[in-house]
Amino acid sequence: EAGVAQSPRYKIIEKRQSVAFWCNPISGHATLYWYQQILGQGPKLLIQFQNNGVVDDSQLPKDRFSAERLKGVDSTLKIQPAKLEDSAVYLCASTEGLSYGYTFGSGTRLTVV
Amino acid sequence: QKEVEQNSGPLSVPEGAIASLNCTYSDRGSQSFFWYRQYSGKSPELIMSIYSNGDKEDGRFTAQLNKASQYVSLLIRDSQPSDSATYLCAVNLFSGGYNKLIFGAGTRLAVHP
Repeated sequence: EAGVAQSPRYKIIEKRQSVAFWCNPISGHATLYWYQQILGQGPKLLIQFQNNGVVDDSQLPKDRFSAERLKGVDSTLKIQPAKLEDSAVYLCASTEGLSYGYTFGSGTRLTVV
Repeated sequence: QKEVEQNSGPLSVPEGAIASLNCTYSDRGSQSFFWYRQYSGKSPELIMSIYSNGDKEDGRFTAQLNKASQYVSLLIRDSQPSDSATYLCAVNLFSGGYNKLIFGAGTRLAVHP
């Protein structure tokens, strides 16, 4: 089966600019997650979708981050305006059930300068 | 207290030795535990899951769980240089009717010839 697709792989922007990341989960996976992984740290959950509804966004900095999941399939994560501390890898993951674990995409490495 | 704690390492072991990676967690209600391997510049990949107290073996990998002590470990037998990576411990939290994985910061393993 095809894996979790993410784009772009890399992005360099200046602070205060905006950026968007895209994720296409594995077909049939109802649950989708966005994680932020800062260098040297473990992944930190930003937002969780069940189908096209948000079930947990408690760690999402809502003043600058937003996310949506169109029709319960693809998802986009947006940052506007970006700060230097947003430099990280943004990982998308999906699952068909916890017992199967999560499958991660290849991630988007964001550098804010 | 962090929800999932791991020693950051690096843990250095000679080729052929047993590598022992440890993880503690804070939520007594957690029922599902996972180990992910992450090579530098790559996304995490699932290598083991464990749900019951005791040991679970898969090839050269053994996961151990002690819920009373809130402790999870991963043993890698006959360590190879290709096992050099960061190992992430992940613990399931059930909150608001949904499951989410919380990750530790990871332990960096270096296997030297």
